Amino acid sequence: EPEVTQTPSHQVTQMGQEVILRCVPISNHLYFYWYRQILGQKVEFLVSFYNNEISEKSEIFDDQFSVERPDGSNFTLKIRSTKLEDSAMYFCASTVWPYEQYFGPGTRLTVT
Amino acid sequence: AQSVSQHNHHVILSEAASLELGCNYSYGGTVNLFWYVQYPGQHLQLLLKYFSGDPLVKGIKGFEAEFIKSKFSFNLRKPSVQWSDTAEYFCAVNPNFGNEKLTFGTGTRLTIIP
Repeated sequence: EPEVTQTPSHQVTQMGQEVILRCVPISNHLYFYWYRQILGQKVEFLVSFYNNEISEKSEIFDDQFSVERPDGSNFTLKIRSTKLEDSAMYFCASTVWPYEQYFGPGTRLTVT
Repeated sequence: AQSVSQHNHHVILSEAASLELGCNYSYGGTVNLFWYVQYPGQHLQLLLKYFSGDPLVKGIKGFEAEFIKSKFSFNLRKPSVQWSDTAEYFCAVNPNFGNEKLTFGTGTRLTIIP
């Protein structure tokens, strides 16, 4: 069964550094999402992406965040200058129908 | 904007006990409803979903959920739990008209005692 994949599984970075989290959505999917889950808290929506542009973003998704689909297969989330509070598990998701979203295994981001 | 409430934060049951986890949502229109499970150290997996039709939906691993529109509820049930059901369970909704974001509840941690 096709899966959403994410790399790396764990990223440790220093405060102020840039990080890029990578996702490969399921190949025929058209809608892409990033969510995050701070330890012990609920899963929160960050951004949705369709037709090479952002469809919706949350208040968390400020100017420090950006997304890109550089080559038709990868879907990346960039955080320009990480903060301690960015430490979380970041999940990528994709869907073909606008209903059921398939989630990747997540990238655990630790900002020190 | 939609919101989801899961009132049971941590549930502890013995094996073979019956399970019901509550989920209530708030939204003015038609919604799609989901239950996701997150086993320890693993990613979110879809247990079951409701889009339309029969309000009683069956999912994987013996789970089912019932959509009660008048109560804005989508409770998850399983008649007899197993130790392997120990996990975090998340209820989620999105509006029934597009590629909208999922809004998750805070989750219920289920611990099954052998």
